[in-house]
Amino acid sequence: DTGVSQNPRHKITKRGQNVTFRCDPISEHNRLYWYRQTLGQGPEFLTYFQNEAQLEKSRLLSDRFSAERPKGSFSTLEIQRTEQGDSAMYLCASSLVGGPVGNQPQHFGDGTRLSIL
Amino acid sequence: SQKIEQNSEALNIQEGKTATLTCNYTNYSPAYLQWYRQDPGRGPVFLLLIRENEKEKRKERLKVTFDTTLKQSLFHITASQPADSATYLCALETGGGNKLTFGTGTQLKVEL
Repeated sequence: DTGVSQNPRHKITKRGQNVTFRCDPISEHNRLYWYRQTLGQGPEFLTYFQNEAQLEKSRLLSDRFSAERPKGSFSTLEIQRTEQGDSAMYLCASSLVGGPVGNQPQHFGDGTRLSIL
Repeated sequence: SQKIEQNSEALNIQEGKTATLTCNYTNYSPAYLQWYRQDPGRGPVFLLLIRENEKEKRKERLKVTFDTTLKQSLFHITASQPADSATYLCALETGGGNKLTFGTGTQLKVEL
């Protein structure tokens, strides 16, 4: 399967702990996005990378959140000092931008479900 | 303010009928619009992309229309099947970076 892969699928942690999620995009994709989804809502944009450069961060992304994409391949999203309100599904998506057929749609992984106790 | 509205009530239809889902938006000028399917506990799965200069696009039993004057997209599933039961999300390309802004989704249930 060459789709977007996210690990872990589920994470349960106590309030105040740090957590890190990993996303492996489709290999030829140069763009990588992070979204957050809560129950009954659509995904909300958090941040995106063009290759290894983080180009935009949403106001939703407080200073407790940090994302990296070293070498322009996989990405990690870290949440420090977790709070109850951080409980959500964290989704990663990737796409190919600027290719010969124009910008391509985003393809999503199955997410990491975070539960804060 | 900017809004993307999808019918929050579940849509129940009989197998074999055509399901029509609506996506309305205000104060956006998207270059393109996408429809995704999402099953419980899974990530969204891309279905169709339609650009601002396209009126209609089809893929097998799926059809999408895009009216930039009305600021509305309609998503049709013909000859619906129970396996089509899922939540369908409308997403607009908004701002730089091609990031997507999603509606809340409409849950479709296809009954035998």
